[in-house]
Amino acid sequence: TQLLEQSPQFLSIQEGENLTVYCNSSSVFSSLQWYRQEPGEGPVLLVTVVTGGEVKKLKRLTFQFGDARKDSSLHITAAQPGDTGLYLCAGPPNTGTASKLTFGTGTRLQVTL
Amino acid sequence: GAVVSQHPSRVICKSGTSVKIECRSLDFQATTMFWYRQFPKQSLMLMATSNEGSKATYEQGVEKDKFLINHASLTLSTLTVTSAHPEDSSFYICSARGGTGRPQHFGDGTRLSIL
Repeated sequence: TQLLEQSPQFLSIQEGENLTVYCNSSSVFSSLQWYRQEPGEGPVLLVTVVTGGEVKKLKRLTFQFGDARKDSSLHITAAQPGDTGLYLCAGPPNTGTASKLTFGTGTRLQVTL
Repeated sequence: GAVVSQHPSRVICKSGTSVKIECRSLDFQATTMFWYRQFPKQSLMLMATSNEGSKATYEQGVEKDKFLINHASLTLSTLTVTSAHPEDSSFYICSARGGTGRPQHFGDGTRLSIL
């Protein structure tokens, strides 16, 4: 089983601060996705990174895929209360079926005024 | 965009009851649907993969006789929790995919509470 460990598990910051969430694995992933989930809802896809070293930006969110495709990071600039939620990385294993998604352990972010 | 509808959103029932949860892809045909379980403050754990017209593939440790999955059409999959007990209480989420290599689209989940 390919595991995706996220850190930190929980993060509480004030509005305007910057933060980085990490997603690490000992295995190679063909791609990684980042999701945000709010309480009582399903996860919503933010971005998919495919190429090692790739950087993608989504407004104040910057996503990076490690060169070896074993890790990824999410950086949020000037966090806002609307960024509050559970952030999940996920990816299909590099070998075997491409159907499944393995989800990371999750990072719960709370942004206060 | 692709929309996946899950119903009901919440269900509370007595121990021993069987509960059916529906997952529908509203604007695309889903060749594959996935069922996940999420405990409070934890991540999503895949329970099973369902392909239209064939038997579901269950993950290790998931009882197939306990969690019955039916994917009879390209737009509907159902998960039935049979003889539910309090330990089955959880947040169940489905996702649907339009084809190999396409992204999964998630439903809004069903919160199941067994008294």
